Parts: sequence; C-alpha cells; structure tokens
Amino acid sequence: GAVVSQHPSWVICKSGTSVKIECRSLDFQATTMFWYRQFPKQSLMLMATSNEGSKATYEQGVEKDKFLINHASLTLSTLTVTSAHPEDSSFYICSAIRDTSEKLFFGSGTQLSVL
Amino acid sequence: QKEVEQDPGPLSVPEGAIVSLNCTYSNSAFQYFMWYRQYSRKGPELLMYTYSSGNKEDGRFTAQVDKSSKYISLFIRDSQPSDSATYLCAMSEGLTGGGNKLTFGTGTQLKVEL
Repeated sequence: GAVVSQHPSWVICKSGTSVKIECRSLDFQATTMFWYRQFPKQSLMLMATSNEGSKATYEQGVEKDKFLINHASLTLSTLTVTSAHPEDSSFYICSAIRDTSEKLFFGSGTQLSVL
Repeated sequence: QKEVEQDPGPLSVPEGAIVSLNCTYSNSAFQYFMWYRQYSRKGPELLMYTYSSGNKEDGRFTAQVDKSSKYISLFIRDSQPSDSATYLCAMSEGLTGGGNKLTFGTGTQLKVEL
C-alpha cells in the first residue's frame, strides 16, 4: 500500500509557541491531503482539505488563521498550529489520496501537548 | 443523531473467536464503505473497502454492507491478540478523490485475550 510519513510523532511545546507538522507521501503523488484531529476515545474529525497549489478548505468551526496549511508540492503538506494553547493538545493525523483513487492512506499521527 | 453510529466497546474476546463489529448510518447517499484499524497513538490503517451493498472477503476479514438497513459489519475470523486495536468504520457519498469527505464512526476498541 501507499506510504504516508508524518513528522514529528510527538511534540511538546509551551503555550504561545507555534508548531509545524509535516505530512509526506513517499511513493506517490498526492493531489489531495486531509488533516484530521482526534481526541481520546473519539473519532477522527476532519479539519481541512488541502490541494496542491491552492488554498486549503477548512471545515466549519476550524480557525484557518490558527491552523495554517500549506500544500506546496504533490508530496508535502504542512500544518502549523500558531500560538498554541493547552486546548490545542490533541492527536493530529494527515492523510493522502493518490490521484482520484477512493482510498485514503494515513500518516502515523502527531501527538501535540501544549503546556 | 450522529451520521455514523458505532459502539465504542471495549469488546473483549478470547483468542480464536469470531469477532463482529458493526456500524449504522443515517445518510442514504453513502456508497463507499471502509474499515480502518488503529493501534494506540498511530494513524488508521485501511483494512477493507467496499462499494455499495454486498460482501467482500480478504483473508480472515469479511466486510458486509446492507444499504437497505444502513448497516455495515466487519467480521474477523480466528482472532489473534495482534488484532487488538480500535476499529473505525468510515463512509462517503462518492470518491474521496473527487472531493467527497469521509465520515468516521467513533471506533470500537477490541481486545483479544490469550
């Protein structure tokens, strides 16, 4: 299957700082990437859809100025949590699809802890 | 009412048992149905993918879709301790590559005991 790499897997930061999470498709070109957030024992909640070379589409209730998404190439999308606060602590997961395939492949996730 | 309902468990079974995991949904427009396995603090891994109604088998895993009842199932035969994980159902109205979103269930935590 397709490989999606996500980095870092863990990050601890102070309140008010910014954190960048990278998502890479290693063996295919991902025209579309998705960013999800998952709280303990809850489902994945879609935050935004990222298309290469265009602005991300954010879901209702997700602050686009707080969660900056950049999809600069067909293999890389980044999520930057700006001015992080403790309530932003969560598990963030990216996913990617190959061309118009219906199958979604996920990264390994990033656990963000904001102190 | 959530669009996709899934019993969170936990579900505990002895090794070798047949496991049945289920989801119900309310959106009759869903056509693509998936099951993902997620180990603790890892990203979900695609297990099974089905389109419309019917059965699909892959090794020890069988996925069933009953669109008339808006009910999907995942069966695991000869369950192993390594199957212990959270199983998420997911579904969409169309191809995710075509801009359709996946809607996930909350996941069922499964524990297979020796």
